Amino acid sequence: EAGVVQSPRYKIIEKKQPVAFWCNPISGHNTLYWYLQNLGQGPELLIRYENEEAVDDSQLPKDRFSAERLKGVDSTLKIQPAELGDSAVYLCASSPGSSGSTDTQYFGPGTRLTVL
Amino acid sequence: AQSVTQLDSQVPVFEEAPVELRCNYSSSVSVYLFWYVQYPNQGLQLLLKYLSGSTLVESINGFEAEFNKSQTSFHLRKPSVHISDTAEYFCAVSARGSARQLTFGSGTQLTVLP
Repeated sequence: EAGVVQSPRYKIIEKKQPVAFWCNPISGHNTLYWYLQNLGQGPELLIRYENEEAVDDSQLPKDRFSAERLKGVDSTLKIQPAELGDSAVYLCASSPGSSGSTDTQYFGPGTRLTVL
Repeated sequence: AQSVTQLDSQVPVFEEAPVELRCNYSSSVSVYLFWYVQYPNQGLQLLLKYLSGSTLVESINGFEAEFNKSQTSFHLRKPSVHISDTAEYFCAVSARGSARQLTFGSGTQLTVLP
């Protein structure tokens, strides 16, 4: 079974440029998460989807960040415009969504963003 | 809200020696507890989890962790480490009934030396 797929794995851009990250969750997983991981820190949730609905986006900086999961499968996270402080690893995770309260999250390898 | 403190950012240890990675949590409600491992250039992988029942949980590769409610701890242990255990380890907590809302610690880099 394929795991969570993310692309690109690495991205280098100049500040003020837009950037997008793509995630394809494990087949059949209804819940999808985007996390931000700064250097030397643990992941922090940006947004969680249940199917195509964003059910927790309280930590998403909505002035520059946006996300979508139009058909309830793959998802895109966008930053526009990027700032120097956005340099980090962006992780995508998915979980079945059918186990109720005990869902296990499965993580992708992440996209490492460098903003110059 | 929950929070996690991993007391050691880096733990060097010699091969075949025992190791303990410390994790303390704070929560006003009952919790689920998790340990994830992150190998270089890979995503996080679930190592083990405590949901209910026995307070001692084990992984398939020899790690174990014990939920201690009175000390609000969930330390990770292995009696004999291998070079291949070198990785970053993250402790995470969620409120019981809400495993989709994880709060992670800052991680502990375990380096196994030959």
